[in-house]
Amino acid sequence: DAKTTQPTSMDCAEGRAANLPCNHSTISGNEYVYWYRQIHSQGPQYIIHGLKNNETNEMASLIITEDRKSSTLILPHATLRDTAVYYCIVRGKNTGTASKLTFGTGTRLQVTL
Amino acid sequence: DVKVTQSSRYLVKRTGEKVFLECVQDMDHENMFWYRQDPGLGLRLIYFSYDVKMKEKGDIPEGYSVSREKKERFSLILESASTNQTSMYLCASTPWGRASNEQFFGPGTRLTVL
Repeated sequence: DAKTTQPTSMDCAEGRAANLPCNHSTISGNEYVYWYRQIHSQGPQYIIHGLKNNETNEMASLIITEDRKSSTLILPHATLRDTAVYYCIVRGKNTGTASKLTFGTGTRLQVTL
Repeated sequence: DVKVTQSSRYLVKRTGEKVFLECVQDMDHENMFWYRQDPGLGLRLIYFSYDVKMKEKGDIPEGYSVSREKKERFSLILESASTNQTSMYLCASTPWGRASNEQFFGPGTRLTVL
């Protein structure tokens, strides 16, 4: 799996967009970018994933650069409940056998009033 | 919505005790996982199972065993708990035949071994 690099922590004012970057310069052609988050004292929660096109769902948007070496997760209107650790993971899309997820240390996003 | 439940949120046990952590999912998922999470180390896979009665070792299986007698239930067993097994334990599940990287996690069990 390609290695990812994320900032250790970020702050964001409530109501503003939170832009969380991730570098994955060794990503290969068949690997997807996945984002999870973990709110304090809860299990991780899947947010979104993408291959090369930008993706949007009810939680967030994912912007992947054209060379696919980096991506940005965007929370368009951050709320206090978005305070969490955000993990960027790069994996091949596995449609069969079980596969473990490797979470690094992620980015701790603090949303403030 | 997929629901993954774990038997306890908090558990305190003594060194040497046998400990059972239970995980149940209600979406008929084939794959189930047990991870532990420790500060600075991220999530580490202990065991996973891709079918009833099937199990595979993860990265750190030592001191643990698992049981999958029914599809919806995956148990983690600490045969003789030790203080270095104090951790947050997370169970996850995912279906077979689709993007199995979209794992659904339970709320976690914070285990303290005294």
